[in-house]
Amino acid sequence: AQSVTQPDIHITVSEGASLELRCNYSYGATPYLFWYVQSPGQGLQLLLKYFSGDTLVQGIKGFEAEFKRSQSSFNLRKPSVHWSDAAEYFCAVGAPKAAGNKLTFGGGTRVLVKP
Amino acid sequence: DAGVIQSPRHEVTEMGQEVTLRCKPISGHDYLFWYRQTMMRGLELLIYFNNNVPIDDSGMPEDRFSAKMPNASFSTLKIQPSEPRDSAVYFCASSRVTQPQHFGDGTRLSIL
Repeated sequence: AQSVTQPDIHITVSEGASLELRCNYSYGATPYLFWYVQSPGQGLQLLLKYFSGDTLVQGIKGFEAEFKRSQSSFNLRKPSVHWSDAAEYFCAVGAPKAAGNKLTFGGGTRVLVKP
Repeated sequence: DAGVIQSPRHEVTEMGQEVTLRCKPISGHDYLFWYRQTMMRGLELLIYFNNNVPIDDSGMPEDRFSAKMPNASFSTLKIQPSEPRDSAVYFCASSRVTQPQHFGDGTRLSIL
């Protein structure tokens, strides 16, 4: 069975500083990987996805993520955080062709941005 | 393009009442998912449909919960009778096969 672990429940970062959110997954083959962001009172918005190919993936809002097969990781990064990046971030793993597009989500990491 | 549309956005009702949550997926998407989000349990998949047919309802917590998808543009999640522990945010999402899921803004449900 697939699983996703986001080790950090909360992260506080200063505005302008860099941000890295960790995601580790468990899956028997090459998974499809996603990062979503949820602002208060809203649904989940897709930041980026990895299906295959280049292991460094660029997303919206200046985010990028790197797939490392050897570490079963898909960490999310942003070089310079803006106050509007304060939100909860979810990593998810899926295998659409095998599992009907089902996704397994991590528990989320809440990011607080200090002025 | 219109995204996934959920209604109502907020619902407050008393224990024992029937609750119906509604979802309109993105046109052309053939998968529809219902999730529940709580502080304690995070984001849980309740049920999903493919081409209007329920594929996996193993996440539905108990028989009080039911979901239908009578056509490609509409789905309901019903709770009858409702209980305070059903209070949560319920999300609907839709997708095409091999494509990411798109989420609605959710329904915040409070059962008093």
